[in-house]
Amino acid sequence: DQQVKQNSPSLSVQEGRISILNCDYTNSMFDYFLWYKKYPAEGPTFLISISSIKDKNEDGRFTVFLNKSAKHLSLHIVPSQPGDSAVYFCAASARYSGAGSYQLTFGKGTKLSVIP
Amino acid sequence: NAGVTQTPKFQVLKTGQSMTLQCAQDMNHNSMYWYRQDPGMGLRLIYYSASEGTTDKGEVPNGYNVSRLNKREFSLRLESAAPSQTSVYFCASNRDTYSNQPQHFGDGTRLSIL
Repeated sequence: DQQVKQNSPSLSVQEGRISILNCDYTNSMFDYFLWYKKYPAEGPTFLISISSIKDKNEDGRFTVFLNKSAKHLSLHIVPSQPGDSAVYFCAASARYSGAGSYQLTFGKGTKLSVIP
Repeated sequence: NAGVTQTPKFQVLKTGQSMTLQCAQDMNHNSMYWYRQDPGMGLRLIYYSASEGTTDKGEVPNGYNVSRLNKREFSLRLESAAPSQTSVYFCASNRDTYSNQPQHFGDGTRLSIL
């Protein structure tokens, strides 16, 4: 049972336009959400995050929006650049009671291609 | 600034062979993690170590063992490799597991089991 879903395996966008990547989750215990970017043959790199007490977080060209009632978050990249072409993973964090530690649950990823 | 270093980068094993994947971080992080990523899948947690001297199971621990050798190093061992363990393995670390600090990842070990 997938708790974090990225329903679009791929997305193509023209350079300079907006890229919107979507993520849905089912577990109400998630209280922190992160986006990671991954290039081929490299490990994921942290991009941006948002706490469940907020509905928006912005960092330069990247903005994450959180809609708790819909259990939905999105990553906006404006303007999109060819160097943004990568796989983007949505991840959600919840505290697990056994050890009291936070663990991440990842979506399957969306491959973004920015066309020059 | 190396961050998280994984060795080896690639490995091919035969079914039944054993292998240890190495991971080291130079960020003075307390917590370390091992994930696997299969084609078309997200990363799944195998084991983690909240701090030196402790380890706990993640979502998919069967067939694996781990050792937190010291604060810097966290190894993953396959005692008897199976084709189902063919995957890309990522090690990660962060300051601790008790706050929402982003995890920093290594570049992965690509493991094929024939």
